[in-house]
Amino acid sequence: AQSVTQLGSHVSVSEGALVLLRCNYSSSVPPYLFWYVQYPNQGLQLLLKYTSAATLVKGINGFEAEFKKSETSFHLTKPSAHMSDAAEYFCAVRSYNFNKFYFGSGTKLNVKP
Amino acid sequence: DTEVTQTPKHLVMGMTNKKSLKCEQHMGHRAMYWYKQKAKKPPELMFVYSYEKLSINESVPSRFSPECPNSSLLNLHLHALQPEDSALYLCASSQGLARSTDTQYFGPGTRLTVL
Repeated sequence: AQSVTQLGSHVSVSEGALVLLRCNYSSSVPPYLFWYVQYPNQGLQLLLKYTSAATLVKGINGFEAEFKKSETSFHLTKPSAHMSDAAEYFCAVRSYNFNKFYFGSGTKLNVKP
Repeated sequence: DTEVTQTPKHLVMGMTNKKSLKCEQHMGHRAMYWYKQKAKKPPELMFVYSYEKLSINESVPSRFSPECPNSSLLNLHLHALQPEDSALYLCASSQGLARSTDTQYFGPGTRLTVL
């Protein structure tokens, strides 16, 4: 069975600092991984997805994630945080039979001025 | 256009009321989903429809009744809900269920409060 674990329910960074949100997956087969962002009282917006075409995936709003099979990780990064990045971030894995998404518990990103 | 719309945005209902949530997409997607999201928690899958047929029911209580009248529309009928059913209800759609890289596109959600 597939699952994802997000380390750190809250992350706080200063504006302009590096953003690093951690996601580790558990899967016996090649995983299909996604990062979503959710702003308060809104739905989820896709940031990026891993499709096995490239290990470094670039997404919207300057975010990127690197798939590391040896570490079973798919961490999300952004070189320079902006106040507008403050939101909840969810890592998700799509099940092998493609029917379900399994979401991590989420990481709330706070950006300090 | 990658938009999924949901109505209403907010809904307050009593435990004896009957109400419906509506979700619509015009992306030609053939899979649609209902999720429930409690505060500070990830979305929990409730139902999956594929080609207008119910594909997955995650053991959801019968007071929640989904309906997919056509490929663009998904409803969630609510009856005799409990206060603990108060949550954000999210609808999503994807091209189908067969491709691993299919993305789920989410609507903005309906904030439901049960009194």
